[in-house]
Parts: sequence; structure tokens; C-alpha cells
Amino acid sequence: ETGVTQTPRHLVMGMTNKKSLKCEQHLGHNAMYWYKQSAKKPLELMFVYNFKEQTENNSVPSRFSPECPNSSHLFLHLHTLQPEDSALYLCASSQLDRESGNTIYFGEGSWLTVV
Amino acid sequence: GQNIDQPTEMTATEGAIVQINCTYQTSGFNGLFWYQQHAGEAPTFLSYNVLDGLEEKGRFSSFLSRSKGYSYLLLKELQMKDSASYLCAVRDNRKLIWGLGTSLAVNP
Repeated sequence: ETGVTQTPRHLVMGMTNKKSLKCEQHLGHNAMYWYKQSAKKPLELMFVYNFKEQTENNSVPSRFSPECPNSSHLFLHLHTLQPEDSALYLCASSQLDRESGNTIYFGEGSWLTVV
Repeated sequence: GQNIDQPTEMTATEGAIVQINCTYQTSGFNGLFWYQQHAGEAPTFLSYNVLDGLEEKGRFSSFLSRSKGYSYLLLKELQMKDSASYLCAVRDNRKLIWGLGTSLAVNP
């Protein structure tokens, strides 16, 4: 079991649906992330939150909307997605300090299929 | 530009030793990471190198040469469960640059 838990593990949604991915970290970290992993592509950073404040949004379409109510919880709200958004969505957390090198720890991922 | 290269696929035999190389070209450097990812699962952290040299952790070791922009992950006494993808990532200042991963197949 990892220190970062994601739900649901699998999600199938239509292009007109609205759904959310949920992430919780139990590591006491102060930064949380959403990544997208697609076949034959490197991991793509979507959003970064440091101390609940969003610090990065890497040109992600507005149909993906993150929410970070506190330093332990992170959501990714999904609406009107496209089939090409089907991928593995990974939540991660890290402690921002020199010693750990800001090592990122991933959750188990949410497999999203858009039909 | 920023680039990370690692072989796409490798094959090795159970009990053997395998070395997975990673070369990188980044404008800055604040550490190199190796992750293991089994099919259908999330990446798990293996090692972190920020200074030159070899870091050993059980059957796995990671080496870094900053002057050459080069790292390798060494896996000893290979087991079937080591069949996975191995991801190299470099921190360039605040940004983490990921390689495409090396898919390792361990055969009996």
C-alpha cells in the first residue's frame, strides 16, 4: 500500500459526463501533483500545488479542473472530455526540501476511458 | 533543449546482472531519479543521485556522472518480478524531466 491513495482506480465516462478523481496523501508532504501518462509518451505534469496553492498549470485544457482543499487532499474535476483524454492519471506528493531532492511519490493511478 | 534518452527495451535472464543507461541534456541539474513501473501500476521510487558516484541499495545500484550527463541503474541477481519499465527523470531547477522508460523483460 502506498502513502498516496487514489479513487476511483478505473473510470469510464461519456464525453458529456462530469466526474472527479480523488487523491489523498498520508505522508505529511506539502506538495501535490497531477500527472497524465499516455502510451509512448513521457509523464506529463498537469498541475502542482504547494501548501494548497496552485503553482503550475502546464497549459492544461479547462475541461480539467483541479481542487486542493488542504495539503492532504487533491481532486481533478473532469467535464466534457475527449476520447484522447483517455489515459492513466497519477496523483503524487512530495516534501519540498533539499535533503529528499523533492522526491515524488505516486498514487496507484486512475485509469480513465472516455467513450 | 531538454532531453533524456534511455533504451526502449532490454531483455535479461533470471539471476543475471543488467545495466540500464540514461543520458540527459538539460540546462540545469538538481538530481536524477530512477523509478520502477510494473504494467498497469504506478511508478515507485528506486533511487536519487545528486552527486557523482554510485549509490547502492540492496540488489539495485544507481550511478551518476554529471560531467558526462550520464547515469545507469544496475540490477543484480535478477528476479522475474524485476520485469517492469524503468523510468529515468532529471530535475532541471524546479522542473522534472522524464524519459520514456526502458521496458525490461526477465526470462527464466
